[in-house]
This record gives sequence, C-alpha cells and structure tokens, in this order.
Amino acid sequence: ELKVEQNPLFLSMQEGKNYTIYCNYSTTSDRLYWYRQDPGKSLESLFVLLSNGAVKQEGRLMASLDTKARLSTLHITAAVHDLSATYFCAVDISGNQFYFGTGTSLTVIP
Amino acid sequence: NAGVMQNPRHLVRRRGQEARLRCSPMKGHSHVYWYRQLPEEGLKFMVYLQKENIIDESGMPKERFSAEFPKEGPSILRIQQVVRGDSAAYFCASSPRRGMGEKLFFGSGTQLSVL
Repeated sequence: ELKVEQNPLFLSMQEGKNYTIYCNYSTTSDRLYWYRQDPGKSLESLFVLLSNGAVKQEGRLMASLDTKARLSTLHITAAVHDLSATYFCAVDISGNQFYFGTGTSLTVIP
Repeated sequence: NAGVMQNPRHLVRRRGQEARLRCSPMKGHSHVYWYRQLPEEGLKFMVYLQKENIIDESGMPKERFSAEFPKEGPSILRIQQVVRGDSAAYFCASSPRRGMGEKLFFGSGTQLSVL
C-alpha cells in the first residue's frame, strides 16, 4: 500500500521565521497536492503539483515536487500567525483516490 | 456557486443504530469521494462514486458500510449498527471529472459520535 509520510508532525515556530515541511511517498507518482485544514473545518486546496520539478508559490508558501526522490516540500517564509493550521500532502496514483499524509500541525507563535 | 454541502454537521448515535450522512457535490460535479478522518490522523479514502455507480470502494469496510449516489439527490454514506470505532469525521469531496490532476473540493464534514 502506498505510504505518505510527513515530517515534522508538529511544528511550533516564531513569527518571521522560515521553515520547511517534508512529504515523502513510497511509490511513483507525479501528482501531489497540498491542503490546509483549520480546526473543525474542511480542507482547503493550496497547491497542485503535476510534474517533476514543479514549483508553485502563493504568498508566504511555496511548494515543490521531486518525483525522482518521491519528495515534496512546503516552504514557509516569514511565518505569520494566520498560517497556523494543519497541512496535509496527498498523492494521487490512479485518479480514483488520494493518499493523505498524517498532517503537520503548525503553530506560529508571536 | 455553493461548495460541497454535507449534513448533518454533527451526528450522535448510540451503538447499534444507523447513521446516514449526506453530501451534495458542487454544481456541475458528478464525481463524489468519501473520506474518514480519525483524531490526529490524515484522511483515509473510503469510496468513489459517479452518478448511480460505485467506481472504487476499496477503502470501505466490507460490512455495515454502504454508499450510493443516485441520479437525483445527494450522495449518502450509510453505516448500519454503528460501533464506537466508527466515531470519526467523515468528509465528502467532489470533482467535475475523473482523472489525474483533478483536485478535490471538500465539504465541511460530518462529525459522527457513537455513544
């Protein structure tokens, strides 16, 4: 079964700092998604990465995909409190279902 | 354009009762997916449906769970004779078409609590 691992699972960072969340997966895929979830809320799509070397940026978040290494990263630049949430990566290998990572719970401290 | 609508938002059932969870996809979306999320875990795929068809139910328990997406009306996830282990958040997602690279749009979820 496809395994999707994220690290760290919990991240506490100060405002203004930079950090990277990693997403490793165990089988070949060139379709990787990042979602954000606020407590008690639904999942909001952040990025869709569809090829090796894909890089997408939105505000303080930047996502990249290395299909050869089976690795995606979500880089946070100059964190602000509003970014506090749980971030999930998900891999799609069949078009039928997404395999989600366990999530990274991010807390940004003033 | 309303998003994916799920109801109820919270559902409390006693062991042995039935739970029915409803999901109306976004307008124009004919593909529906159900996921389950246990506390502090990622989402786990359960089933993927198109109108009147189950496409992939590989993630759904073989007993007590069923899903449908009729020609008219919402998709329904049905859990018979619920047990405490069924307590979870159930999310529905929809997409306009099947296939690689299609992102999913998620509803707000139904939190099922089994007493």
